Amino acid sequence: AQTVTQSQPEMSVQEAETVTLSCTYDTSESDYYLFWYKQPPSRQMILVIRQEAYKQQNATENRFSVNFQKAAKSFSLKISDSQLGDAAMYFCVLLSSNTGKLIFGQGTTLQVKP
Amino acid sequence: DTAVSQTPKYLVTQMGNDKSIKCEQNLGHDTMYWYKQDSKKFLKIMFSYNNKELIINETVPNRFSPKSPDKAHLNLHINSLELGDSAVYFCASSQGLAVYEQFFGPGTRLTVL
Repeated sequence: AQTVTQSQPEMSVQEAETVTLSCTYDTSESDYYLFWYKQPPSRQMILVIRQEAYKQQNATENRFSVNFQKAAKSFSLKISDSQLGDAAMYFCVLLSSNTGKLIFGQGTTLQVKP
Repeated sequence: DTAVSQTPKYLVTQMGNDKSIKCEQNLGHDTMYWYKQDSKKFLKIMFSYNNKELIINETVPNRFSPKSPDKAHLNLHINSLELGDSAVYFCASSQGLAVYEQFFGPGTRLTVL
C-alpha cells in the first residue's frame, strides 16, 4: 500500500523566517510524482510545488523549495522568507503513476506570526 | 475565469434525501476526479473519469454515483444521505491520468442533519 506521513500536525514560524515541513512516503513504484498542496482557510487547494521522482534535482518555486531524498523516501518543503499569506494547511501528496491516484498526507497546519 | 467550478458551495440537507453536486472544468482536461475531505481534513479519492470513462472507483457506498455527460463535466449524485456523508467534496481535473498535477475546485461543504 502507498502511504504518505506528515508527522507535524502543526508548525509555527515568525514572519520573514524559514520553516521546513516534513514528509515521508512509501511506495513500491519506481515512477511517481510528489507534490505539496496548500489549503488556506478559503478551502481552495493550491499547488505549491511538484517533483518528479526520476529527477535528482530538487524543485524550486520562488520562496518554496523541496529536499527530495528518494532512497530515504523523504520529501520536505522549505518555505523561506515566510509571509502572513503562507498560513495554511499544507499537504504532502504522492501521485501513483500506475493508478493516477493522489495519496494525501494528514496535513500540517502552518501558523505565521507577525 | 474559474478553471474548475462546483455548485453548490454549501449544501445543507436532511438524512434520507438525495442530492447532487455539479462540477465543470474549462481547462480542456481529459480526466476528472471526486475527493472527500472529512472533518479531520483528510482527503481521499472517490472516483476518477478519463474521457467520460470510469477509471478509479474506490471503496465508496453505492449510494454515491458519479456521472460524466462530457469531458468537461463530472457530477456526483448521492442517494439516501446519511450523517456520515457530511464532509467537503472536491472536484479536480488534470490533463491526463497519472502524470500531471490536478487542479481543484473550491469544494462543496455538505452538511447532513
